[in-house]
Amino acid sequence: AQSVSQHNHHVILSEAASLELGCNYSYGGTVNLFWYVQYPGQHLQLLLKYFSGDPLVKGIKGFEAEFIKSKFSFNLRKPSVQWSDTAEYFCAVNGGSQGNLIFGKGTKLSVKP
Amino acid sequence: NAGVMQNPRHLVRRRGQEARLRCSPVKGHSHVYWYRQLPEEGLKFMVYLQKENIIDESGMPKERFSAEFPKEGPSILRIQQVVRGDSAAYFCASSPPPTRRETQYFGPGTRLLVL
Repeated sequence: AQSVSQHNHHVILSEAASLELGCNYSYGGTVNLFWYVQYPGQHLQLLLKYFSGDPLVKGIKGFEAEFIKSKFSFNLRKPSVQWSDTAEYFCAVNGGSQGNLIFGKGTKLSVKP
Repeated sequence: NAGVMQNPRHLVRRRGQEARLRCSPVKGHSHVYWYRQLPEEGLKFMVYLQKENIIDESGMPKERFSAEFPKEGPSILRIQQVVRGDSAAYFCASSPPPTRRETQYFGPGTRLLVL
């Protein structure tokens, strides 16, 4: 069965600090990978996605993620966070013939001004 | 901006009552997914529907829960005889016919509280 692990439950950073959120998945076949963000009181929005090709994916708001197939990882990064990045971040995977997404438990990011 | 619409946004029910959650997909999207988010948990897949057809309901609890996506109108997630453990945020997502490359677009969710 597919699963997604997000290592950090809650991350607290100061503005301008660099961010890396871990995501590992378990699935042996071809996968599509996603990062979603949920700002307080809002719905999930897509940050970025990987289907194939260049394993370094750039998304909105300065976020990027790197797919490392050998490590089954898809970590999210941002060089310099802002207070407005305070949100919960979800990694998700879609693999095989399934239409549905498998989500990690999420990482809450708090950025101190 | 006709994104995924869900209503109501908040729903309070007493134990034993019925809850009906509605989802209108993005215009032109023919596939709908329902997910449930329990406190401190990620989203868990419940059911995947096409117009008038359930594609995958492997994540649905065996009893009290049902879903439909009629030819006309929104998709409905129905929970009969609610219990406190049903309290959660229920999210709907829609996509065009999936080729495994299509992104799912999420609605704002319905927060169900069972008293």
